[in-house]
Amino acid sequence: DGGITQSPKYLFRKEGQNVTLSCEQNLNHDAMYWYRQDPGQGLRLIYYSQIVNDFQKGDIAEGYSVSREKKESFPLTVTSAQKNPTAFYLCASSMGRMNTGELFFGEGSRLTVL
Amino acid sequence: GNSVTQMEGPVTLSEEAFLTINCTYTATGYPSLFWYVQYPGEGLQLLLKATKADDKGSNKGFEATYRKETTSFHLEKGSVQVSDSAVYFCALSEGFQKLVFGTGTRLLVSP
Repeated sequence: DGGITQSPKYLFRKEGQNVTLSCEQNLNHDAMYWYRQDPGQGLRLIYYSQIVNDFQKGDIAEGYSVSREKKESFPLTVTSAQKNPTAFYLCASSMGRMNTGELFFGEGSRLTVL
Repeated sequence: GNSVTQMEGPVTLSEEAFLTINCTYTATGYPSLFWYVQYPGEGLQLLLKATKADDKGSNKGFEATYRKETTSFHLEKGSVQVSDSAVYFCALSEGFQKLVFGTGTRLLVSP
């Protein structure tokens, strides 16, 4: 089945540690996105990538980093510089320029900083 | 910048009741509008969309009409079911599929 796979589903981290969240898609989509979801705040865009080896900052990129070395993969690293990293992280993809805006989402990764 | 405002929840209804979840937006130009649904513990799924003024999106008994004059995209369903319990997000596109989301409205349907 085609879709987006995020791992791990749950992750615990000590303060001061970096952690990487995995996102893989087999939909052959050009664009990929990372969103952060906090209670009462909806979804906020962290980073997005329209093509391989290129990505742009979203609205809340500070303390995060990404890479896009392969079309199907878009990992997100939450660094120790992120002041409040506990959240639900959602990865998404879309077809690209010909698409009318529909995003396909993974099931999310919940990060808790202890 | 562009923004989306949704009614605060939770919205609590009995099965077979009529549902309305309000959504208004602020945007330059002519965005596309979307409703996404998130079931517990899952990611978001597209529920319906409308790409231009007066378009009506519909899916699974849900409907929403793109009203440019009132900058609104309210979600409606004539008869809700317990299985409709979820969080509903209104969103608009902001160029190249960059979506701006509202804060979400939780719907709770009791038998």
